[in-house]
Amino acid sequence: DAGVIQSPRHEVTEMGQEVTLRCKPISGHNSLFWYRQTMMRGLELLIYFNNNVPIDDSGMPEDRFSAKMPNASFSTLKIQPSEPRDSAVYFCASSSHPGGGELFFGEGSRLTVL
Amino acid sequence: SQELEQSPQSLIVQEGKNLTINCTSSKTLYGLYWYKQKYGEGLIFLMMLQKGGEEKSHEKITAKLDEKKQQSSLHITASQPSHAGIYLCGADMGGAQKLVFGQGTRLTINP
Repeated sequence: DAGVIQSPRHEVTEMGQEVTLRCKPISGHNSLFWYRQTMMRGLELLIYFNNNVPIDDSGMPEDRFSAKMPNASFSTLKIQPSEPRDSAVYFCASSSHPGGGELFFGEGSRLTVL
Repeated sequence: SQELEQSPQSLIVQEGKNLTINCTSSKTLYGLYWYKQKYGEGLIFLMMLQKGGEEKSHEKITAKLDEKKQQSSLHITASQPSHAGIYLCGADMGGAQKLVFGQGTRLTINP
């Protein structure tokens, strides 16, 4: 079975540009999580969905960040406009447990904003 | 997350030696998860602990959760180069339905 699939793996963009990160969770998993990892702050939860519905977005840093899950097999994390401090590795994870439990992580999307 | 403190932040050990990584919370943990991450890759699930005093082992890695469910340790016996990576503990802090993670422990194994 395919794991969590994220794209792009690497993105380099200029400040002010829109960035869209994509995630395909494992089929049958009903919870999806977006995390951001930096050296300074470690792994931070941005937002998570249960059954395609956003449950907790308290970790989303600013209004520049938005996430959607239009169906059970696809989610996006959008940053508009991007800033250099958004540079990080963004991970998507999915789980079959409503409370999170064992998370299956994608390989991550490494974002660099110049 | 400051809710979970991991120690040490980095660790360098000689191949074949034993080592322990700790994860501490000021709150009762409703579930404690250990993950391993290699540079540039995602996190790989290792073990989950839920009951106070619980201990689990997989190959040469043993994880324990204390009786108060506020501290966990990860012990590696006879370390190998394949054990190198970043170890992260994650915890369900109760009722929030989400995992928060410690800062991670970077493990280097010298041959």
